[in-house]
Amino acid sequence: DTGVSQDPRHKITKRGQNVTFRCDPISEHNRLYWYRQTLGQGPEFLTYFQNEAQLEKSRLLSDRFSAERPKGSFSTLEIQRTEQGDSAMYLCASSTTPTSGSSVDTQYFGPGTRLTVL
Amino acid sequence: DQQVKQNSPSLSVQEGRISILNCDYTNSMFDYFLWYKKYPAEGPTFLISISSIKDKNEDGRFTVFLNKSAKHLSLHIVPSQPGDSAVYFCAASVDGGGATNKLIFGTGTLLAVQP
Repeated sequence: DTGVSQDPRHKITKRGQNVTFRCDPISEHNRLYWYRQTLGQGPEFLTYFQNEAQLEKSRLLSDRFSAERPKGSFSTLEIQRTEQGDSAMYLCASSTTPTSGSSVDTQYFGPGTRLTVL
Repeated sequence: DQQVKQNSPSLSVQEGRISILNCDYTNSMFDYFLWYKKYPAEGPTFLISISSIKDKNEDGRFTVFLNKSAKHLSLHIVPSQPGDSAVYFCAASVDGGGATNKLIFGTGTLLAVQP
């Protein structure tokens, strides 16, 4: 178990450029989440996948944001026409469907991708 | 609206003493609560969780207490160690019945354990 990995760890881009981040979850975790964290705040939910299906998107996820998980394994988060307000830490988390009666899960986070938009 | 609140931005404790981190929530639908620890430039690390059907959960030096009537939970660390110095986030979720279990986080409390 190598944990959740994210690539790149840091990205500096100019306003208006497109960026793409990758997340590799813990193997066999069927649930994958994206969060965004800005300075002084806790992580905020962006979107959720169960296997390859994107089941929920936050209203924070504007039309410029798109996420995919094509084979139910790794996921990508793309931001088009980046703005300075997109500067943040983008966190990926994965979990597995509990076997107990409850369906709540424990999410394990990756190290994050720090995006700076100049 | 901030559904999960951590009103203390920082806390300083002497090594060996107890650290108590507090968290309040407003949404009575929350039924699962978690604490995460975060070091700079790293992602949050899961520490301990508690279901709403319990009022206490213990794991080694870490104990979480839940008071549903007060919509309050706390994390106790005993004894505190310098390596515990980090930002601690409280998070909550609603059992989505197989749909999303997105976490709602507080703003964090910076714990400094002095040697």
